Amino acid sequence: EIVLTQSPGTLSLSPGERATLSCRASQSVSSNYLSWYQQKPGQAPRLLIYGASSRATGIPDRFSGSGSGTDFTLTISRLEPEDFAVYYCQQYSSSPLYIFGQGTKLEIK
Amino acid sequence: EVQLVESGGGLVQPGGSLRLSCEASEFIVSRNYMSWVRQAPGKGLEWVSVIYSGGSTFYADSVKGRFTISRDNSKNTLYLQMNSLGTEDTAMYYCARILPFAENFDYWGQGTSVTVSS
Repeated sequence: EIVLTQSPGTLSLSPGERATLSCRASQSVSSNYLSWYQQKPGQAPRLLIYGASSRATGIPDRFSGSGSGTDFTLTISRLEPEDFAVYYCQQYSSSPLYIFGQGTKLEIK
Repeated sequence: EVQLVESGGGLVQPGGSLRLSCEASEFIVSRNYMSWVRQAPGKGLEWVSVIYSGGSTFYADSVKGRFTISRDNSKNTLYLQMNSLGTEDTAMYYCARILPFAENFDYWGQGTSVTVSS
């Protein structure tokens, strides 16, 4: 069973700074099926990135994804106040079919 | 605009049952992959179940044998029948559409809350 480990658990930054979030898989996975989501308090998750590096519809270009194999990264180039939220990576696998990382909380410093 | 609206959550005693519904707008449920994802209070996301357009269904081990996913094509609605509920099933339950080529969740409902407690 593949496990996705996100780091750090909490990231404290200021608006305007660059955020780098990591998602590491316990074994090599297909980048075609690696996605990132943003979740704000009291809201459903929102798809940000799919296929490791493609932005979903309507997602600002300050969000970018990269990586392959076991290591994937979500980068937010210049943080806006509305970007402070919890971020999850997700992978399609064999069992269970859909796996989420445990999340990274991005908080205002 | 694509919309997913869940309903059916509530308070139920351990061992009880509940059926969640998810009504879709602006797309056809039966022609898409549809899923349930849950989130326990203060915790992360956990995939629960999926039904593919062809009708195949799959479940997380934690709910296998207790939960059943289904759909009603005439109502364009997805369901999750939950039986033998335990306190560990307390969570917000989201329905979500899956993009087949990327196997991710592109549209989500607002969620319906399930609390299992005596």
